[in-house]
Amino acid sequence: DQQVKQNSPSLSVQEGRISILNCDYTNSMFDYFLWYKKYPAEGPTFLISISSIKDKNEDGRFTVFLNKSAKHLSLHIVPSQPGDSAVYLCTGGSNYKLTFGKGTLLTVNP
Amino acid sequence: DVKVTQSSRYLVKRTGEKVFLECVQDMDHENMFWYRQDPGLGLRLIYFSYDVKMKEKGDIPEGYSVSREKKERFSLILESASTNQTSMYLCASSPLQVQETQYFGPGTRLLVL
Repeated sequence: DQQVKQNSPSLSVQEGRISILNCDYTNSMFDYFLWYKKYPAEGPTFLISISSIKDKNEDGRFTVFLNKSAKHLSLHIVPSQPGDSAVYLCTGGSNYKLTFGKGTLLTVNP
Repeated sequence: DVKVTQSSRYLVKRTGEKVFLECVQDMDHENMFWYRQDPGLGLRLIYFSYDVKMKEKGDIPEGYSVSREKKERFSLILESASTNQTSMYLCASSPLQVQETQYFGPGTRLLVL
């Protein structure tokens, strides 16, 4: 069973516009959520996190929104830059353990 | 900066061989993890360790074992490699105080022939 789902395998946006990456989860026990960025042949890099008791967290161009009733979170990147092109992994966590989604490939076109 | 290093970027082994994948972190983190990443399946947790000599099974421990003799080093062992263990292996670590944020190594791409 897939506890963290990223239903869009890919997303393409123009430079300067907003990128919105979506994620749904089924496990109500997650205490926190994270987004990781991954380039090919590299390990994931931590991007931003949000506690399950919050509904928004912002860090520069990146904002994560959490809707617990819908079991949905999203990552907004504004403005998008070509360097943002990567796979984004949505992750739910509880205690030590992280559960990853399969990822969304974001392509930001110049 | 946190640094997690893995002993090899690429490894080719034969079926039945014993394989050791080494991971070292330099930030004195308590927790260490081994994942594998496969196309269409995402990252899956194999084993993790929250202290020296302590280990817990993750979601897919079958065919693997681990060793943590020192705090900075976490080894993944394939006792008898099989072709279905061909994968990208990722090591990660996290501190006790902020254990939700894991820091990953660059990965080892293992091919078992």
